[in-house]
Amino acid sequence: RKEVEQDPGPFNVPEGATVAFNCTYSNSASQSFFWYRQDCRKEPKLLMSVYSSGNEDGRFTAQLNRASQYISLLIRDSKLSDSATYLCVVQGGKLIFGQGTELSVKP
Amino acid sequence: NAGVTQTPKFQVLKTGQSMTLQCAQDMNHEYMSWYRQDPGMGLRLIHYSVGAGITDQGEVPNGYNVSRSTTEDFPLRLLSAAPSQTSVYFCASRAPNSFEQYFGPGTRLTVT
Repeated sequence: RKEVEQDPGPFNVPEGATVAFNCTYSNSASQSFFWYRQDCRKEPKLLMSVYSSGNEDGRFTAQLNRASQYISLLIRDSKLSDSATYLCVVQGGKLIFGQGTELSVKP
Repeated sequence: NAGVTQTPKFQVLKTGQSMTLQCAQDMNHEYMSWYRQDPGMGLRLIHYSVGAGITDQGEVPNGYNVSRSTTEDFPLRLLSAAPSQTSVYFCASRAPNSFEQYFGPGTRLTVT
C-alpha cells in the first residue's frame, strides 16, 4: 500500500463547479499535512497547509480527519486558472508526496 | 532573491555516462532535498541534507551521489546513467522551522 494515496484523475469540470479531492495516508504518526499545486511541466508550489480544525483560503477549504487518516481539498466556484495537478503531502519525518490528481476546468 | 535554481533545464545522456545536476538556493535554508518525478509515481526522495556536511539517503538513492560543502549548493551526481533514470529531477529547500518546501524549476533528463 502506498503511504499517501489520492483520488485517481483527471477531474474534468465546468467553470463555476465545486470539486473535491480526497487523500488517504497510512502512517498514523504523521504530523503535518499540505496541499501543493503543480502546473504542467512546472515545479510544485505550496497551496495550503491543512490543520486539524480545518482551514479556508478564499475558494479553497482543506480538512483533516486523523481518525480516518484522510485529508480533503474543496475548491468552490472553479476557475480556468485552477487547472493543475494537486498533490497531497504528508509529513512524518520526511515529506511524502501523493501521485497527484489532475484537474481540468473547462469554459 | 532567485530562490532555488537548477541547471541544466534539459539533458540527454547515453547509457553509462556520468553527469552532475546543479542546485543552488539563496534563502540560507539548511534543509535541501532532491526528488525525481515519474508519471503515476509522484515525487520520490533521492537524497537530502539537513546542513552543510550532512547528507542522507531517501527512498530511491541507488545510482546517485550527493555532497553538501556549502549551505547554498547541493549537487546531484549520476555515476553511470541508465535508462531507468530518465525522469524530471527537482531540487527543493526549506528552513528547519518551516514545512514549506521551495522547489527549483526542474531538470528534464533523458537517458538513451
